[in-house]
Amino acid sequence: EDQVTQSPEALRLQEGESSSLNCSYTVSGLRGLFWYRQDPGKGPEFLFTLYSAGEEKEKERLKATLTKKESFLHITAPKPEDSATYLCAVRGSGTYKYIFGTGTRLKVLA
Amino acid sequence: DGGITQSPKYLFRKEGQNVTLSCEQNLNHDAMYWYRQDPGQGLRLIYYSQIVNDFQKGDIAEGYSVSREKKESFPLTVTSAQKNPTAFYLCASDTGKDTEAFFGQGTRLTVV
Repeated sequence: EDQVTQSPEALRLQEGESSSLNCSYTVSGLRGLFWYRQDPGKGPEFLFTLYSAGEEKEKERLKATLTKKESFLHITAPKPEDSATYLCAVRGSGTYKYIFGTGTRLKVLA
Repeated sequence: DGGITQSPKYLFRKEGQNVTLSCEQNLNHDAMYWYRQDPGQGLRLIYYSQIVNDFQKGDIAEGYSVSREKKESFPLTVTSAQKNPTAFYLCASDTGKDTEAFFGQGTRLTVV
């Protein structure tokens, strides 16, 4: 069964303190791993799509990487406005479903 | 600007009443989805549609119904048969190929 586990559940960082969020997955035939940011009371906002092991993508202070078993979202020198819940999702072969993890709640303190 | 519009943002209904949530997209996407989000749980798929006039049940379809009469629109009806309807509902769409989904801003439904 396709499955996504995100860790930690919650993370508090000081402004400028870099860290990484983990997304471990089990899927038959990965057709994409997706990262989203979600602010309270809002819909998820798309960040990155990764398709194959070794792939990396960057956007401002965020960098997403992918291996055959997990993905990391690296946050470099975070700012308070990076505070949000970060969601990871996968899509496997033979299905149109996105399987979501429960997210990591990030709080960046000024 | 292209995007997905969900309405209303907040919805209150009495127990036993059916209610319909609206989802419209102008991204020219073929596929549309409805997810439910509850605190501490990942997004759970209710229904999805890959093409007009066709849709499939997701993991938690009981007590819900949908239609897909137009490419742009995918309304969700929460029926009185849904035992615990209070939740945050999210609509999404994608191209139907291996690309990312885009989400609307959600509808928070409260049943009293």
